[in-house]
Amino acid sequence: QKEVEQNSGPLSVPEGAIASLNCTYSDQGSQSFFWYRQYSGKSPELIMFIYSNGDKEDGRFTAQLNKASQYVSLLIRDSQPSDSATYLCAVKKSDYKLSFGAGTTVTVRA
Amino acid sequence: SAVISQKPSRDICQRGTSLTIQCQVDSQVTMMFWYRQQPGQSLTLIATANQGSEATYESGFVIDKFPISRPNLTFSTLTVSNMSPEDSSIYLCSVDREGLYEQYFGPGTRLTVT
Repeated sequence: QKEVEQNSGPLSVPEGAIASLNCTYSDQGSQSFFWYRQYSGKSPELIMFIYSNGDKEDGRFTAQLNKASQYVSLLIRDSQPSDSATYLCAVKKSDYKLSFGAGTTVTVRA
Repeated sequence: SAVISQKPSRDICQRGTSLTIQCQVDSQVTMMFWYRQQPGQSLTLIATANQGSEATYESGFVIDKFPISRPNLTFSTLTVSNMSPEDSSIYLCSVDREGLYEQYFGPGTRLTVT
């Protein structure tokens, strides 16, 4: 079982729609969870982090965490063409190291 | 967030040679990490570099191939030694102030080995 698994892509959504990205993790001791956005040829950019169960909203982005289900998600509302990128889910383990999922590529159709 | 720079941004090297990548942070950080991202893949952790101690390497990575220095709280280097085409990747450093916060990434070094 992989430490971090993301829903397979690519994900194509029309402009203005909601893009939903999912991630599950195997280490029950994980405490913090991150979503990075990576444009082609660029380094990962941190867009959301969440530590507690529930929802966390930042602009058009909402991160949701359910530790009991070992599940974290990212919603992108009112998707824009500029949101087209690969989204990486990362989980911080007790040794402070990040474990990354394989990434989900999102394409927003104008 | 920290401002992180890496040098060089890209390089083309011949097999058998070595390249040293520098990572500079604008503030003191406890933990620095080096990652590799092979074409079309996600990020793989190479090693953790904490100031004042030896770097700790992940499975599959060894010090002879990827020696790391961490002379102070704002700087680290990663050397890719005796390179082969399989080492062609993007190498990224990241920082985490106390291990308790978010990790931020540098712009990366794109390495091509011919």
